[in-house]
Amino acid sequence: GQNIDQPTEMTATEGAIVQINCTYQTSGFNGLFWYQQHAGEAPTFLSYNVLDGLEEKGRFSSFLSRSKGYSYLLLKELQMKDSASYLCAVRGSTPLVFGKGTRLSVIA
Amino acid sequence: EAGVAQSPRYKIIEKRQSVAFWCNPISGHATLYWYQQILGQGPKLLIQFQNNGVVDDSQLPKDRFSAERLKGVDSTLKIQPAKLEDSAVYLCASSLLQGRFYEQYFGPGTRLTVT
Repeated sequence: GQNIDQPTEMTATEGAIVQINCTYQTSGFNGLFWYQQHAGEAPTFLSYNVLDGLEEKGRFSSFLSRSKGYSYLLLKELQMKDSASYLCAVRGSTPLVFGKGTRLSVIA
Repeated sequence: EAGVAQSPRYKIIEKRQSVAFWCNPISGHATLYWYQQILGQGPKLLIQFQNNGVVDDSQLPKDRFSAERLKGVDSTLKIQPAKLEDSAVYLCASSLLQGRFYEQYFGPGTRLTVT
């Protein structure tokens, strides 16, 4: 089976940096995704990692360590609009499995 | 490029009633997914189609849920009869193909409330 863990809630200050962690256990590994989901809206794609290391895309970066079953999403220069849920999803030998999401609140 | 379309956006029904949801994926996307997202949780895959064939329906409660994708384009998801625990947002997503990396594009979802 597959198990994905991420913190339920986080709070950070506007302009700061926040790191959202995700640990996973899967049978097989074919990539890890991060999605952003604003309240009442559909998830939107943020990043994809299949090899170890850091992928940077603007203010957002995602890191993967396959040997540790660990990933993180790094958000820099936080803005109020970054308040949302961040979903870690893993594709193992089965279709994509999502974690429960981390609700991030950005405060002034 | 038009996104994934879903209807209705909201639906309220009583338990034991039936309901159907419709999804139109992005043009040219061969793979279509239906997810159930209960409040406070991540989306859970119900069924995945590749064109009009089922790839995975292992988490679909087949005694009450059914889905079809005629002609490999639009899809409908039906619940008959509904239970209280079916209250959730039903998300449709599509991707160009299935495989290691094909980004899934999600529709706005249908929020179902069963009373």
